Amino acid sequence: GAVVSQHPSWVICKSGTSVKIECRSLDFQATTMFWYRQFPKQSLMLMATSNEGSKATYEQGVEKDKFLINHASLTLSTLTVTSAHPEDSSFYICSARDLRRDDYGYTFGSGTRLTVV
Amino acid sequence: AQSVTQLGSHVSVSEGALVLLRCNYSSSVPPYLFWYVQYPNQGLQLLLKYTSAATLVKGINGFEAEFKKSETSFHLTKPSAHMSDAAEYFCAVTASGTASKLTFGTGTRLQVTL
Repeated sequence: GAVVSQHPSWVICKSGTSVKIECRSLDFQATTMFWYRQFPKQSLMLMATSNEGSKATYEQGVEKDKFLINHASLTLSTLTVTSAHPEDSSFYICSARDLRRDDYGYTFGSGTRLTVV
Repeated sequence: AQSVTQLGSHVSVSEGALVLLRCNYSSSVPPYLFWYVQYPNQGLQLLLKYTSAATLVKGINGFEAEFKKSETSFHLTKPSAHMSDAAEYFCAVTASGTASKLTFGTGTRLQVTL
């Protein structure tokens, strides 16, 4: 089945630094990937839709310059949290859909726990 | 616009008892509906989905859900709860289309007691 690999699983960084999170589709090509943010004991909030070869589409209220998304290939999308601050600490999850399948099988990465100190 | 509402942020059942997690949706177009399970510090695993085929959908781990258009519902059930079912469950909705995004409900934490 479709597999999405997300790396790193957890990261601790100092305030003011940048952190990059990678999301890879291992056995399929993903022209579209989705980035979500999840606060403790809360639901997933869509941050942006990542489109291969073009600019990402950000949801209302998400700072484009803070959360940089790059989708340079059909198997890799990256989310960079720039100048991270403690309020950016959260669980970030990516998702992709294998368009070869017509059953709307969205596959999720295992998530990245970001802690900014 | 689409949305889902999950009634009950926390549900507790005894092991062996029926599990019922509620989800109601709102959609201006025919919806596709999903149930996902999340274990602590992990991503989401698909339990089952409705994509306009059979209204009664069977998923993994003994879960099933029924799409009821008249009630705008897609409740998740399992006849007999296991301890391993304890987790967070999310209902989600999307519309057809290659880049359709999922909109999630607020989640229901299922606790299974002895």
